[in-house]
Amino acid sequence: EVQLVQSGAEVKKPGDSLKISCTGSGYSFSTFWIAWVRQKPGKGLEWIGIVYPGDSDVRYSPSFQGQVSISVDKSISSAHLQWSGLRASDTAMYYCARLCSGDGCQRAYDIWGQGTVVSVS
Amino acid sequence: SYVLTQPPSVSVAPGQTAWITCGGDNIGDKAVHWYQQRPGQAPLLVMYYDRDRPSGIPERFSGSNSGNTAALTISRVEAGDEADYFCQVWDSSSDHYVFGPGTKVTVL
Repeated sequence: EVQLVQSGAEVKKPGDSLKISCTGSGYSFSTFWIAWVRQKPGKGLEWIGIVYPGDSDVRYSPSFQGQVSISVDKSISSAHLQWSGLRASDTAMYYCARLCSGDGCQRAYDIWGQGTVVSVS
Repeated sequence: SYVLTQPPSVSVAPGQTAWITCGGDNIGDKAVHWYQQRPGQAPLLVMYYDRDRPSGIPERFSGSNSGNTAALTISRVEAGDEADYFCQVWDSSSDHYVFGPGTKVTVL
């Protein structure tokens, strides 16, 4: 089964650092882009950025550039989202999602992780 | 940056048809994807490349895209279709991905 499994819920204080993970299985992890998406309580989906495990190429949304760091460790089929100084405004659900491949798919996100809740207070 | 618009809510009676729109400048030139998010769950891809259904998505779901409006149509609506629906595109000019604000579908 193709799936993305995310790390568990986190409760942190402002200023803390944090790294959450997303582990892929059931497919060739290195050959599919992995994106991170934020969803604040009761709000919509916000695209944070995307990483290609094959060469660690990373792209960020301008809204999140400099606020978070995206990395990948293909040896353990995991992508990561990291903060060096959390703020209360970072409180949200964070999803990872796989970008499907091939021209027929046209850059849709076909597999999603279950989400990681991050609470900062 | 590219902006997508969606109506905040759509209400529909069981068995009727729900039409959810996604507006954007010349969106007809882009590939539009749709996600369903039921309460407490992760998003689920229900339509990709305007009108293609992933495996397991009922034929009641269909899509279209032309001009400045894309749409997701749900025929013979069921209680289980009650959810938030988000459209999404890739903006080639910025190489960034954009989500619409979402539409809450309520089954009366």
